[in-house]
Amino acid sequence: DAKTTQPNSMESNEEEPVHLPCNHSTISGTDYIHWYRQLPSQGPEYVIHGLTSNVNNRMASLAIAEDRKSSTLILHRATLRDAAVYYCILSRTGNQFYFGTGTSLTVIP
Amino acid sequence: GAVVSQHPSWVICKSGTSVKIECRSLDFQATTMFWYRQFPKQSLMLMATSNEGSKATYEQGVEKDKFLINHASLTLSTLTVTSAHPEDSSFYICSARVQGLDGYTFGSGTRLTVV
Repeated sequence: DAKTTQPNSMESNEEEPVHLPCNHSTISGTDYIHWYRQLPSQGPEYVIHGLTSNVNNRMASLAIAEDRKSSTLILHRATLRDAAVYYCILSRTGNQFYFGTGTSLTVIP
Repeated sequence: GAVVSQHPSWVICKSGTSVKIECRSLDFQATTMFWYRQFPKQSLMLMATSNEGSKATYEQGVEKDKFLINHASLTLSTLTVTSAHPEDSSFYICSARVQGLDGYTFGSGTRLTVV
């Protein structure tokens, strides 16, 4: 599976939008883009995923570049509970996940 | 939604003993489960893929005789850390693929401390 590149850390003020970037220049046509987040001492939690089109759910939005070589996870209003490590993962259906280093998001009250 | 229950959430064992970690899919059948290990301040590292009714597939560098994986039913996979040593102390996490999700659901993790 193709690799992803994310900033090591980001900060956001509470109740402001957060844009978490992910680069995946070697993505293949069958790779889905998954976003998970992990709170301290917990297992990862599903956030959102997509293939080509932008996606929205109750947690976040996923904006996928037209060439699919990058994507952005958007948290519309950050809360303190959103402080976590966010992982961007590429995977073909049925394949295992290989985690990168992720982005540690700090939310400032 | 699909839930994976992992037990125990934490365990302390003496060096040289074995520890079993269970991972159950509560409301769905999981033909494939995955086991990860995570050291402090690091990312998750895939250890092995567990397939119901067959032998697990281990990632390169993971000792299959030390980390025994059993997936005897569609709802249960177990990881046994044999002859545990302090360097095996880590956070172990299981996950299972959920049909229709195109992704995976994860257990809450097991904190293993070997003293």
